[in-house]
Amino acid sequence: QSVLTQPPSVSGAPGQRVTISCTGSSSNIGAGYDIHWYQQLPGTAPKLLIFGNKNRPAGVPGRFSGSKSGTSASLAITGLQAEDEAYYYCQSYDISLSAHVVFGGGTKLTVL
Amino acid sequence: EVHLVESGGVVVQPGGSLRLSCAASGFIFDDYAMNWVRQAPGKALEWVSLINWDGGATYYADSVKGRFTISRDNNKNSLFLDMNSLRPEDTAFYYCAKDTASSGFNWFDSWGQGTLVTVSS
Repeated sequence: QSVLTQPPSVSGAPGQRVTISCTGSSSNIGAGYDIHWYQQLPGTAPKLLIFGNKNRPAGVPGRFSGSKSGTSASLAITGLQAEDEAYYYCQSYDISLSAHVVFGGGTKLTVL
Repeated sequence: EVHLVESGGVVVQPGGSLRLSCAASGFIFDDYAMNWVRQAPGKALEWVSLINWDGGATYYADSVKGRFTISRDNNKNSLFLDMNSLRPEDTAFYYCAKDTASSGFNWFDSWGQGTLVTVSS
């Protein structure tokens, strides 16, 4: 069971908007620690998508956006495209764990 | 351009040992902490270990503490993971990932392609 909870799957039609939630607690997101998002296309390594809650690395389309509020964070994808079909993972820091680095359980995005 | 290339993944018997390596290029290696992250087939990402820029601080997931050792050679731009007392549940793709802070615990802006470790008799 991941410390950060994500829905196992979401889906949307091309052109639509989808959101993926990442729910934590007072020892991670709620403590003010940043959330980062990664995209993992089939058969490939993860790729940084959003860092510091809402910032996009160079080359990531503006269709991807992140937000954080309270003990949760969200990744939004607008203008959904077929190539967005992938797994998405959130990551943060947790003060209650000796290891501190935590990932969400991942969400499979299906483009219908 | 940042390039991370893992190697060393093989099939090993339970209780066995293995060393993974990650060759880094395209950035100043000793400016950044480095991580190992693993992913069992069909499962989520799991952070394994972190080493700070000079190797003076290391951190481990509880699942591997006492069995795995992370190290680095800044002269050779290389990261290592020594894995002992391997268990079937250690079977996974192992990725090295570059941190964006020298002390670690930031986001991972570059990942290798992964190397597969299979623990099976």
